Amino acid sequence: NAGVTQTPKFQVLKTGQSMTLQCAQDMNHEYMSWYRQDPGMGLRLIHYSVGAGITDQGEVPNGYNVSRSTTEDFPLRLLSAAPSQTSVYFCASSYTTGTGTYGYTFGSGTRLTVV
Amino acid sequence: RKEVEQDPGPFNVPEGATVAFNCTYSNSASQSFFWYRQDCRKEPKLLMSVYSSGNEDGRFTAQLNRASQYISLLIRDSKLSDSATYLCASLGTGGFKTIFGAGTRLFVKA
Repeated sequence: NAGVTQTPKFQVLKTGQSMTLQCAQDMNHEYMSWYRQDPGMGLRLIHYSVGAGITDQGEVPNGYNVSRSTTEDFPLRLLSAAPSQTSVYFCASSYTTGTGTYGYTFGSGTRLTVV
Repeated sequence: RKEVEQDPGPFNVPEGATVAFNCTYSNSASQSFFWYRQDCRKEPKLLMSVYSSGNEDGRFTAQLNRASQYISLLIRDSKLSDSATYLCASLGTGGFKTIFGAGTRLFVKA
């Protein structure tokens, strides 16, 4: 059981570069989200998706794009990296049943440094 | 005001102690709540879900107070291995957006 897989685990970018953080889940979860975590700030929601083809903005979407072409994959694209985007990025997935929406399963994170 | 707020701590308690954390939320329409545990440099892991008044799992009890808009986590008989950051989260209407608090740091000492 792979769960939620994020790649890469570490990345250093130069200011202005673009890149895509990959996220894949093999649990057939309909909900997927991207969070960033900074010291003292907790987890902040960047973008989320409720199913293939459907995405929406979270609390801090500026500078990031997402797409959800399949249930399994939810990549996060940094358009033009800035030092303020230095953070740890977590992808997470969850599902819902008749009784409610269950808590997230998180990937192991991507540590991104922008210099 | 943040949508979900927690006391950052740290809470320093001896082994065997009982410790409680509170988490307040501002969205009165929130449907479900969660407690996660996060170890240093690791991903958060789901500890408990709270859909109605409360939930209990071994030494851990979570309670929801909708009137005062807070959830609590009670840890009984603390173990050294309970040392971690505890995150609370609120799931809004429609089950789409989960908002996290900044976390409460717990140190359990021998």
